Amino acid sequence: GENVEQHPSTLSVQEGDSAVIKCTYSDSASNYFPWYKQELGKGPQLIIDIRSNVGEKKDQRIAVTLNKTAKHFSLHITETQPEDSAVYFCAAMIEGSYIPTFGRGTSLIVHP
Amino acid sequence: DTAVSQTPKYLVTQMGNDKSIKCEQNLGHDTMYWYKQDSKKFLKIMFSYNNKELIINETVPNRFSPKSPDKAHLNLHINSLELGDSAVYFCASSAPGNEQFFGPGTRLTVL
Repeated sequence: GENVEQHPSTLSVQEGDSAVIKCTYSDSASNYFPWYKQELGKGPQLIIDIRSNVGEKKDQRIAVTLNKTAKHFSLHITETQPEDSAVYFCAAMIEGSYIPTFGRGTSLIVHP
Repeated sequence: DTAVSQTPKYLVTQMGNDKSIKCEQNLGHDTMYWYKQDSKKFLKIMFSYNNKELIINETVPNRFSPKSPDKAHLNLHINSLELGDSAVYFCASSAPGNEQFFGPGTRLTVL
């Protein structure tokens, strides 16, 4: 089955810096890659996703890149703000399937 | 309008008790899930139902029994609770191959 590795497990940055979280996956059939943000005391919420027919997608301060050959994808947050502090999860799944495989999460701390 | 709702938000109980957590979604999705999140934040899938039928049952003790009365509801019943069951439980729903919508979570504490 699919295996998703996520690094780092903890990331601490100063406000205004950039943050990058990286994930690798094992199943070359995976073609949908969502990223979720989980704030304290809440459920995870989708912030951005990418499908295998594109290499990059951007939404304001967040972007995701995908390298299908190397089987890795990354989340980039620019100009970080304290409200970006949360746990971030990557996931991989085969489009149309029922089963996402989640990474183990990255705790991002943005210091004011 | 809450998309995925769960009740209760907090559940504190003694070992050996039986408890239930309810989940409802108003998104019209066919697929619903239960996840367990431990203290290290790892999201472990427990069950998935599609159109009221069980499609995923990970290696979960049979003390856990999901019930789906209709495709908008997926409840979780836990028998003979143990200390190790303490965690946050999330319900989610999705259309196949698309984003998951998570509920707010139920924090279960077994004493």
